Amino acid sequence: GEDVEQSLFLSVREGDSSVINCTYTDSSSTYLYWYKQEPGAGLQLLTYIFSNMDMKQDQRLTVLLNKKDKHLSLRIADTQTGDSAIYFCAETYLNSGNTPLVFGKGTRLSVIA
Amino acid sequence: DAGVTQSPTHLIKTRGQQVTLRCSPKSGHDTVSWYQQALGQGPQFIFQYYEEEERQRGNFPDRFSGHQFPNYSSELNVNALLLGDSALYLCASSFTSDTQYFGPGTRLTVL
Repeated sequence: GEDVEQSLFLSVREGDSSVINCTYTDSSSTYLYWYKQEPGAGLQLLTYIFSNMDMKQDQRLTVLLNKKDKHLSLRIADTQTGDSAIYFCAETYLNSGNTPLVFGKGTRLSVIA
Repeated sequence: DAGVTQSPTHLIKTRGQQVTLRCSPKSGHDTVSWYQQALGQGPQFIFQYYEEEERQRGNFPDRFSGHQFPNYSSELNVNALLLGDSALYLCASSFTSDTQYFGPGTRLTVL
């Protein structure tokens, strides 16, 4: 079955690094995503990683994937107040963007100035 | 290039009524997926439309139905509304083997 778990809250000081963690259970997952949702808004795609990769870096964002432990993390370097939002981890279990995304409940990141 | 658009932004209905939500996909995309996001939860997949047909469906009752038009835009219809249908309804579009991009959502409140 498919299940994505995330911790619900994270608080960091401005300028520090944030690390948001996610675990998934579907062993056939091939794409794993991070989306950002600001209050009252839709989902903004931040980054994604293929399950045959271990790491992906995109400016301030670093994604790490541990396939053995089914653990995904998103690191945000030099966290800013504008990074305050809910971050969702999501997986798809087939190699296509046309399959349903399975989401976690989201991690609310609060950045303290 | 406009992204995914949805209308209306907000909607208030009463129990038992019917509602139609609309979505226009990102230019070049041919697939539309609908998700329901209850307060404090992650989005849940409702169904997906491709080539004007429902291709996949999540665990939602038949009260939830949809349509896709030749221009790839889509509608989500919900009949016999319940209080529990109150949520943010998100539309996502994609092109074959591409990533899903989300619209801003429609906030539905059922009283």
